[in-house]
Amino acid sequence: AQSVTQLGSHVSVSEGALVLLRCNYSSSVPPYLFWYVQYPNQGLQLLLKYTSAATLVKGINGFEAEFKKSETSFHLTKPSAHMSDAAEYFCAVSRATGASKIIFGSGTRLSIRP
Amino acid sequence: DTEVTQTPKHLVMGMTNKKSLKCEQHMGHRAMYWYKQKAKKPPELMFVYSYEKLSINESVPSRFSPECPNSSLLNLHLHALQPEDSALYLCASSQEGTYNEQFFGPGTRLTVL
Repeated sequence: AQSVTQLGSHVSVSEGALVLLRCNYSSSVPPYLFWYVQYPNQGLQLLLKYTSAATLVKGINGFEAEFKKSETSFHLTKPSAHMSDAAEYFCAVSRATGASKIIFGSGTRLSIRP
Repeated sequence: DTEVTQTPKHLVMGMTNKKSLKCEQHMGHRAMYWYKQKAKKPPELMFVYSYEKLSINESVPSRFSPECPNSSLLNLHLHALQPEDSALYLCASSQEGTYNEQFFGPGTRLTVL
């Protein structure tokens, strides 16, 4: 069975500081991993995805994530936080291609202090 | 067009009403999904359609009835809902044969009185 654990339901950083959101996964087969962002009262937007092509994945809005198989982690980082980054972030895992279920983590709310 | 659209944006209905949520995509995706999201929770999968056929039903109560009239449209028919069904309903689509990267619509905020 697959699962995703996001450490920290709420993370608060100062504007300009490093953002680090943690995600650990469990999967019996090589996984496909995703980070989604959700702004208030909106749908989910894909930030980036890992599909085994490269372990360091760059996404939109300056975010990136590194796949570490030995640590079963896929943490999301951004060097310098902007106020506009305040949102809910979900890590997700899929093991299959095509129409199938993806498993979401419980989410991390990111707050940015001025 | 890389967008999934959903209508209406907001819906308020009584427990005896019948209403429908609509979702549309023009990306040529052949997989479409309905999710339910409660406040401060991740989305929960309800239904998956693949090539217009229902492929996954996550044991959703029969008061929710999905329909996929064609490859671009997905409906969710609602009847005799309960107040606990109030939530954000999200539609998503993905390309068959890819990594299951799902594109989400903005959602319909449903309130059941």
